[in-house]
Amino acid sequence: QTVVTQEPSLTVSPGGTVTLTCASSTGAVTSGDFPNWFQQKPGQAPTPLIYSTTSKHSWTPARFSGSLLGGKAALTLSGVQPEDEADYFCLLSSGGIQVFGGGTKLTVL
Amino acid sequence: QVQLQESGPGLLKPSETLSLTCNVSGGSISNLYWSWIRQPPGKGLEWIGYIFYSGSTKYNPSLKSRVTMSVHTPRNQVSLRLSSVTAADTAVYYCARGVAFSGDGMDVWGQGTTVIVS
Repeated sequence: QTVVTQEPSLTVSPGGTVTLTCASSTGAVTSGDFPNWFQQKPGQAPTPLIYSTTSKHSWTPARFSGSLLGGKAALTLSGVQPEDEADYFCLLSSGGIQVFGGGTKLTVL
Repeated sequence: QVQLQESGPGLLKPSETLSLTCNVSGGSISNLYWSWIRQPPGKGLEWIGYIFYSGSTKYNPSLKSRVTMSVHTPRNQVSLRLSSVTAADTAVYYCARGVAFSGDGMDVWGQGTTVIVS
C-alpha cells in the first residue's frame, strides 16, 4: 500500500517563505496523483487549500501555492503570517485509493 | 452553501458496529463523490473510503473487510458502518464532499464527530 511522507515539522519566521513536500513510496508524484493540501488548526476540521496540484479554492489566501518539485508535491507559503501556524496534510490518489500524508506541523516563530 | 453534519453514537463497546450519518444541506448529493475520513487522538488523517452517488464504492484496503458505505438520496444522506470496532477505532470521524481526483478535490468537510470505543 502506498505510503505518503511529509516533513514531521518545520519552523519559519513571520514574513518568510517555507515549502512543505509530499512524497510517494511508489515513485515520483505527478499531476495524475491529484495532490490536495489541507490546513488543520487545533480542535478544527481540516480546511482545504489546494486541489489538483496547483488549483486554489476561492477562500485560499494568495500566499499559498501548490506545485510539483523534485518528484514531490509541494506547498509553498510566501510571506508567512502568524495565523499560518497549523498542521498541514497532503492527499494523493493512487488508482482511486486516497492516501493522506502523516502531516507537517508548521511553527511560526 | 453546502454544509455537512456528521451524527452518531459517541460511545461504543468493543465488537459493536459503528453507524454514522452525514447529513448534507444546501445542495444535492447527486453526481458527486462523498468521502469518510477519521483522525485518532493526536494523530493524522486516515482515509476510510468513498462512495459515488450511484452507490459505487472504494474503501481503504486496511479497513475494507469492516466498512460499508451507502447513500440515501431522498434524505440527502451518506452513511458509514464499521463493524467489530476496537479501541483502535477511537477517532474523530469526518465526512467530506469529493475525492482527491474530483473537480474541486475534497472541498467541503463536516465538523466531525467523536467516537470512543471503550
